[in-house]
Amino acid sequence: GENVGLHLPTLSVQEGDNSIINCAYSNSASDYFIWYKQESGKGPQFIIDIRSNMDKRQGQRVTVLLNKTVKHLSLQIAATQPGDSAVYFCAENLEGGSYIPTFGRGTSLIVHP
Amino acid sequence: SQTIHQWPATLVQPVGSPLSLECTVEGTSNPNLYWYRQAAGRGLQLLFYSVGIGQISSEVPQNLSASRPQDRQFILSSKKLLLSDSGFYLCAWSPRHIVQNTEAFFGQGTRLTVV
Repeated sequence: GENVGLHLPTLSVQEGDNSIINCAYSNSASDYFIWYKQESGKGPQFIIDIRSNMDKRQGQRVTVLLNKTVKHLSLQIAATQPGDSAVYFCAENLEGGSYIPTFGRGTSLIVHP
Repeated sequence: SQTIHQWPATLVQPVGSPLSLECTVEGTSNPNLYWYRQAAGRGLQLLFYSVGIGQISSEVPQNLSASRPQDRQFILSSKKLLLSDSGFYLCAWSPRHIVQNTEAFFGQGTRLTVV
């Protein structure tokens, strides 16, 4: 994608604050979305997912919001901890197609103690 | 349970040398397999994906190739490495024969430095 060569945007927060990470997706036909967390030197790990028939889904300390009208996805992390420091990616999948994870640009979250 | 193995973890290779990175998946059959590359401080770029043995789709033209000699084995290769091939290479898999979409599961990555 055209965003893979760009430096990742950075979000810096204080420990205990809430974090909001945003993602714009490209295809209005996408029907499944995932947030991944990538710690330094490791592969991405699943955090939470949401399907297009929902606009909100909650997990443990994390909430994903989906706005299909503007093709926007957000990840909210409550009471951010130093262990949350990582790069966060959103990924989308197209309805009815072979599953090819298509990743957004990513955001680097830095949590200051 | 399913696991994915990717090796080596780090690799330093001279320009012009060949490359072979291997990825294997255990505990599942007929997975979709993927190779991604990630430059330092940047996003994930899909290089290749495979939906079956011997079936490889390339997403970007480059100095690399991929092969799937067995159902759960995915290999990334190059005949002659370039400096620009340096990066963090990630293998991933996802289930194929299911109705609903699921996440992709990633290996731990290979840090390749071409010198």
